[in-house]
Amino acid sequence: QKEVEQNSGPLSVPEGAIASLNCTYSDRGSQSFFWYRQYSGKSPELIMFIYSNGDKEDGRFTAQLNKASQYVSLLIRDSQPSDSATYLCAVGYGGATNKLIFGTGTLLAVQP
Amino acid sequence: DTAVSQTPKYLVTQMGNDKSIKCEQNLGHDTMYWYKQDSKKFLKIMFSYNNKELIINETVPNRFSPKSPDKAHLNLHINSLELGDSAVYFCASSQGGTENTIYFGEGSWLTVV
Repeated sequence: QKEVEQNSGPLSVPEGAIASLNCTYSDRGSQSFFWYRQYSGKSPELIMFIYSNGDKEDGRFTAQLNKASQYVSLLIRDSQPSDSATYLCAVGYGGATNKLIFGTGTLLAVQP
Repeated sequence: DTAVSQTPKYLVTQMGNDKSIKCEQNLGHDTMYWYKQDSKKFLKIMFSYNNKELIINETVPNRFSPKSPDKAHLNLHINSLELGDSAVYFCASSQGGTENTIYFGEGSWLTVV
């Protein structure tokens, strides 16, 4: 059973701080890793994806992947109240099924 | 234009009824999905079609039947609705391959009373 685990939170950070969101996965065959943001009552929207070990930066967001530890994280710098949402980690297995397994999400609350 | 669109957005129906949700994508993707998000916000894959062919069929009651008339459309029909079917159903699509970025529709909020 492939699993993706996240702390459900809420993770509360003050405005301007760095928010750190973490995710672990169980299957070493995982090939691709995604972070989605979901506002209440809305659909998930892609923030970033990462395939290789190391860091990947896009604006205020940095994704970090460590395949040896089966760990992926998302850092949000200069957090804004508008970043308050649920952040979903997803792990892809590629192949014929292109299956994406989601974690249960971490609720982030950025306090003004 | 909305990339992945699904209808209806809200659906309230009685137990035992049969209902359908329709989905269309204009991204030219080969793969489409149905995901279910329960009250605890857990997003779980139900079905996946690649170019009209069923490739993922998770442990879903056979009251749920997907149909893909072409690769741009994937519909979900639910027979004999139960209270536990109340959830948000998201249609999604992707191009597949290594990247496999999935794009979601706006969701269909199903409430069974």
